[in-house]
Amino acid sequence: DGGITQSPKYLFRKEGQNVTLSCEQNLNHDAMYWYRQDPGQGLRLIYYSQIVNDFQKGDIAEGYSVSREKKESFPLTVTSAQKNPTAFYLCASSPPAGGAFFGPGTRLTVL
Amino acid sequence: GDSVTQMEGPVTLSEEAFLTINCTYTATGYPSLFWYVQYPGEGLQLLLKATKADDKGSNKGFEATYRKETTSFHLEKGSVQVSDSAVYFCALSDYRDDKIIFGKGTRLHILP
Repeated sequence: DGGITQSPKYLFRKEGQNVTLSCEQNLNHDAMYWYRQDPGQGLRLIYYSQIVNDFQKGDIAEGYSVSREKKESFPLTVTSAQKNPTAFYLCASSPPAGGAFFGPGTRLTVL
Repeated sequence: GDSVTQMEGPVTLSEEAFLTINCTYTATGYPSLFWYVQYPGEGLQLLLKATKADDKGSNKGFEATYRKETTSFHLEKGSVQVSDSAVYFCALSDYRDDKIIFGKGTRLHILP
């Protein structure tokens, strides 16, 4: 089945630690995205990538980093520089015609 | 920059009531417009889309028409069900940079 997978579903991190969230898609989409969602809030764009080996900052990129070495994969690293990382993180990919497909999300909690 | 504004919730309706969730947008180009739905603890699912002015997107009884003159894309359903309870997001995408911009979401509660 085609789709987007994110792992893990729940993640706990101690303050000061970096953590990497996985996102994989087998839909053959060029565009991929990372969003952050806080309780009762909308989605805020962290980073997006239109093609392999290229990515752009979104509205809240500070404290995050990404890579796009393969078309299928777009991992997000939450660094210790991110002051308030506890949130629900959503990965998506999109075909050229638009209409993104979302993964199930990773809920990150900083202890 | 481009933006999306949608009505604040929560919206509470009785089963079989008529639903409207307002959405307006600001864009410099000619964006595609979308409605997504999110159930608790899950990712977003694409509900419907429209790619040009006067297009009507529809799915599962929901409809929305791309109105360029009023820069709107309001979501409607004639008769809601308890299972429609979720958060609904309006979004736009501009082909020039592939960015997808979301509204803040509207929580919908349907009472039996």
